[in-house]
Amino acid sequence: GNSVTQMEGPVTLSEEAFLTINCTYTATGYPSLFWYVQYPGEGLQLLLKATKADDKGSNKGFEATYRKETTSFHLEKGSVQVSDSAVYFCAPGGGADGLTFGKGTHLIIQP
Amino acid sequence: DAGVIQSPRHEVTEMGQEVTLRCKPISGHDYLFWYRQTMMRGLELLIYFNNNVPIDDSGMPEDRFSAKMPNASFSTLKIQPSEPRDSAVYFCASSSLDREAFFGQGTRLTVV
Repeated sequence: GNSVTQMEGPVTLSEEAFLTINCTYTATGYPSLFWYVQYPGEGLQLLLKATKADDKGSNKGFEATYRKETTSFHLEKGSVQVSDSAVYFCAPGGGADGLTFGKGTHLIIQP
Repeated sequence: DAGVIQSPRHEVTEMGQEVTLRCKPISGHDYLFWYRQTMMRGLELLIYFNNNVPIDDSGMPEDRFSAKMPNASFSTLKIQPSEPRDSAVYFCASSSLDREAFFGQGTRLTVV
């Protein structure tokens, strides 16, 4: 089955700092890759996705590139805001395979 | 579409009682997933259905847990009898093949 490794945090940054959350995965074949975000008290929401190698997913200033050679899908944002404080989940899979989640990365942005 | 709808949002029950969690997936989605989230274990896939048929229940922790999907618009996750270690947030999600999953708001279960 699939598995994912990402730092749990908490990761604490100042507003307008550059963000990188690393994600590496193991999977059978070449799954789609997703980043989900969970705000306090809510369910998970899709942030961005990439369906094949070298695809770049982007949304709300966040970006991640599907790197098949390094089995990675690192999340980046050039200038974070307080409202980005949340838990971020990297997940390979989709559809019939379901999604494989880790514990997520807790991000705290300070004003 | 209103998205994936779960009920109740919060449930507090006594140890030994039966608990039933409910989920209405997005219309047209043919996959439905039940997840459990705890601080210790993160998000765990419990079971998923395709076209109302259970495909993989290997994540169901023990026989006290059961899930059904009697039709395309409704699924239940039942715990009988419940135990304090079952306390968690339970999420339902639905998707179409090879597309992203959409999650409900979750049910926060507390077993005392």
